[in-house]
Amino acid sequence: QQQVKQSPQSLIVQKGGISIINCAYENTAFDYFPWYQQFPGKGPALLIAIRPDVSEKKEGRFTISFNKSAKQFSLHIMDSQPGDSATYFCAASSSDTDKLIFGTGTRLQVFP
Amino acid sequence: GAGVSQSPSNKVTEKGKDVELRCDPISGHTALYWYRQSLGQGLEFLIYFQGNSAPDKSGLPSDRFSAERTGGSVSTLTIQRTQQEDSAVYLCASSLVYGFGNTIYFGEGSWLTVV
Repeated sequence: QQQVKQSPQSLIVQKGGISIINCAYENTAFDYFPWYQQFPGKGPALLIAIRPDVSEKKEGRFTISFNKSAKQFSLHIMDSQPGDSATYFCAASSSDTDKLIFGTGTRLQVFP
Repeated sequence: GAGVSQSPSNKVTEKGKDVELRCDPISGHTALYWYRQSLGQGLEFLIYFQGNSAPDKSGLPSDRFSAERTGGSVSTLTIQRTQQEDSAVYLCASSLVYGFGNTIYFGEGSWLTVV
């Protein structure tokens, strides 16, 4: 059962451009939404996270936008750099289960 | 060590053999998780431990999979009678405590290939 749907599967962006990755969830009990970044040969690492009491959270070039009514959230990477090339996973959990449910990942390639 | 340590990093095994994958969490972390990452798939939850107990085993794909944790630290994931569909990266993670919103830290994974 895929509770978190992520798109696109892959994304190619030119240096300096904006990368946008989208996720949609089904379980209305979800109330914690992190994004993880994974480089080849490494484990995923927490990038940024949001809770549904805010509609946007920004950390440097990375921004999460959250739309509770649409049950969607997205990651925006401003001024994308080749060093941002990685696989990005969205995830969600709820306070009653605590288990993180991950999306299928987006492979981002940023070309100079 | 500073991070989650997993071994072996790579394992090639013959179909039908048993394999053991080891995870050494960050010191002091009470919660430990196992995930599986298959090519083109997301991160599939397998099991988590709070201390030495495993309240949620719902993600284990079959009874060929088992896991244990001893001393509230090291964990071993065992796959018996391996099948080709078991080929994947097995990721271990830990967090300070188990609970909503806690950051989990992943190891680099054990890449299992069943031939």
